[in-house]
Amino acid sequence: GDSVTQMEGPVTLSEEAFLTINCTYTATGYPSLFWYVQYPGEGLQLLLKATKADDKGSNKGFEATYRKETTSFHLEKGSVQVSDSAVYFCALSVDTGFQKLVFGTGTRLLVSP
Amino acid sequence: DAGVIQSPRHEVTEMGQEVTLRCKPISGHNSLFWYRQTMMRGLELLIYFNNNVPIDDSGMPEDRFSAKMPNASFSTLKIQPSEPRDSAVYFCASRWDSSSGNTIYFGEGSWLTVV
Repeated sequence: GDSVTQMEGPVTLSEEAFLTINCTYTATGYPSLFWYVQYPGEGLQLLLKATKADDKGSNKGFEATYRKETTSFHLEKGSVQVSDSAVYFCALSVDTGFQKLVFGTGTRLLVSP
Repeated sequence: DAGVIQSPRHEVTEMGQEVTLRCKPISGHNSLFWYRQTMMRGLELLIYFNNNVPIDDSGMPEDRFSAKMPNASFSTLKIQPSEPRDSAVYFCASRWDSSSGNTIYFGEGSWLTVV
């Protein structure tokens, strides 16, 4: 079945450090890939997405590239801020079946001043 | 534009009571999802509606859970009778058409505690 695997958290960084959160996927079809972010006490918000191979999604300094050859969609940011502290979810959706969104387990990011 | 609207935001109820969670999707969206989030299981898809019709309810945990979508602007998730293990955050989400590349928008969640 379709699945997403994310690196275990929490990821603890100092402000201005470089961030990478790994995400790999398994899909029966040709998926669209997403990163969602959840701030404390809130719902999930779309951070970025990519719908085909080699596409790069970007938003708020975050970016991720759809790598079909490695089935990966790693999230990166060059310089994190305290306000980036949140839980980040990688997800996929395929056009076959019910097009539902399949989530990874989430990775908590803690950024200290 | 208003996003996905859920109510109640917080509910504390006693075991055995009926709980009804409500959702108003974004206007014009024709797909609606109910998710449950817990520390142990993460985000689980409970049920998915397309054009008000339940398409996939394989994630509904048991017969105590039921969901309806009587029209395009309203859905409910009901738990009867509720149990402490149902304590979780329940998210409603909606999407415009069923293309996999379209973004799913989440509500702020209903935080349920069953004591």
